[in-house]
Amino acid sequence: EPEVTQTPSHQVTQMGQEVILRCVPISNHLYFYWYRQILGQKVEFLVSFYNNEISEKSEIFDDQFSVERPDGSNFTLKIRSTKLEDSAMYFCASSRLGLGETQYFGPGTRLLVL
Amino acid sequence: KQEVTQIPAALSVPEGENLVLNCSFTDSAIYNLQWFRQDPGKGLTSLLLIQSSQREQTSGRLNASLDKSSGRSTLYIAASQPGDSATYLCAVKGRETSGSRLTFGEGTQLTVNP
Repeated sequence: EPEVTQTPSHQVTQMGQEVILRCVPISNHLYFYWYRQILGQKVEFLVSFYNNEISEKSEIFDDQFSVERPDGSNFTLKIRSTKLEDSAMYFCASSRLGLGETQYFGPGTRLLVL
Repeated sequence: KQEVTQIPAALSVPEGENLVLNCSFTDSAIYNLQWFRQDPGKGLTSLLLIQSSQREQTSGRLNASLDKSSGRSTLYIAASQPGDSATYLCAVKGRETSGSRLTFGEGTQLTVNP
């Protein structure tokens, strides 16, 4: 069964460094998402992406964050200058269409900012 | 702003028991509601999706109901097994934005004892 994959599974970085988290959505899906979960807290929406542009972003997704679909398979989340509070599990998700469709989540990347 | 609450926060039951997990949301203008399972340190596995026009959905031993007007959903698990032990999350897709963000509850941590 097709699934969303994410790399790396874990990443440790120093405060102020740039990180890129990678995702391969399910191949026939058109909508892509990033969510994060700080330890012990709710899963929070960051951004949704369709047709090579952001369709919605949350207040968390400030100008330190960016997303890109550099080729036909990858979807990336970049954090330009990481802060301690960016430490979280980051989940990528995809859906075949947008509204009304099941979102399928990847296994997550655990990011630790020191 | 949509808020999602799940009760109870934790539940421990003996194997074989039937159980109900509760989810409530503040804004009844939703497209759909999705139930997920999250194992420790892992991603989210989609269990059931209920569209706003539906009253319930079933998958195997799982049955999810939706009462949109009262802002409530329940997940019924029949004949629970130790392998059902996980955190169960509900998430709603609201109509207040043009995008497809999911708003999550805090989850119910379920332990099924052999």
